[in-house]
Amino acid sequence: DTGVSQDPRHKITKRGQNVTFRCDPISEHNRLYWYRQTLGQGPEFLTYFQNEAQLEKSRLLSDRFSAERPKGSFSTLEIQRTEQGDSAMYLCASSPQRSEAAFFGQGTRLTVV
Amino acid sequence: RKEVEQDPGPFNVPEGATVAFNCTYSNSASQSFFWYRQDCRKEPKLLMSVYSSGNEDGRFTAQLNRASQYISLLIRDSKLSDSATYLCGAASGGGADGLTFGKGTHLIIQP
Repeated sequence: DTGVSQDPRHKITKRGQNVTFRCDPISEHNRLYWYRQTLGQGPEFLTYFQNEAQLEKSRLLSDRFSAERPKGSFSTLEIQRTEQGDSAMYLCASSPQRSEAAFFGQGTRLTVV
Repeated sequence: RKEVEQDPGPFNVPEGATVAFNCTYSNSASQSFFWYRQDCRKEPKLLMSVYSSGNEDGRFTAQLNRASQYISLLIRDSKLSDSATYLCGAASGGGADGLTFGKGTHLIIQP
């Protein structure tokens, strides 16, 4: 399967714990995005990488959220000190250069208890 | 006012009928538009890109009206398998701001 891959698919964590999610984009795509989606809403943009450079991070929800893409390939999204309000689907997407058409991974469903 | 708005529905449509729904956007800097299909508890899947001239893909037709700032999706000869949520996404160009999505329109095709 050459699509966007996310791991884990599901994560249940206790409030206050840190969690990290991984995304492997489509191999030839240099653009990578993270989104959050809650029930009944469309995906909400969080951050954007072009290769290894994080070009937009002002939309990360709080300073507890951070993302990296160290070698311009896979990316990680970390949430520190999780809160119940962080429960959502976290989606990663990638695009080729000069295209905004995003291809989504299957998402990581986070439940904070 | 949200940047991208859609009627959440649900639209209940008999199989074989034609259905259309619109999506309005408020950011006049939006350059590129997309329709995505999302099944329950799955990821959004790209259905169509929408460009100035509009485009058609089989039973699906997408149109862009820049003057009135809306895009539309028309589904002809609807199938049971078309039942899903349809998300409209808008990009302001450059890719750095990602896509801004509406809440989606829920479509139910009835036998």
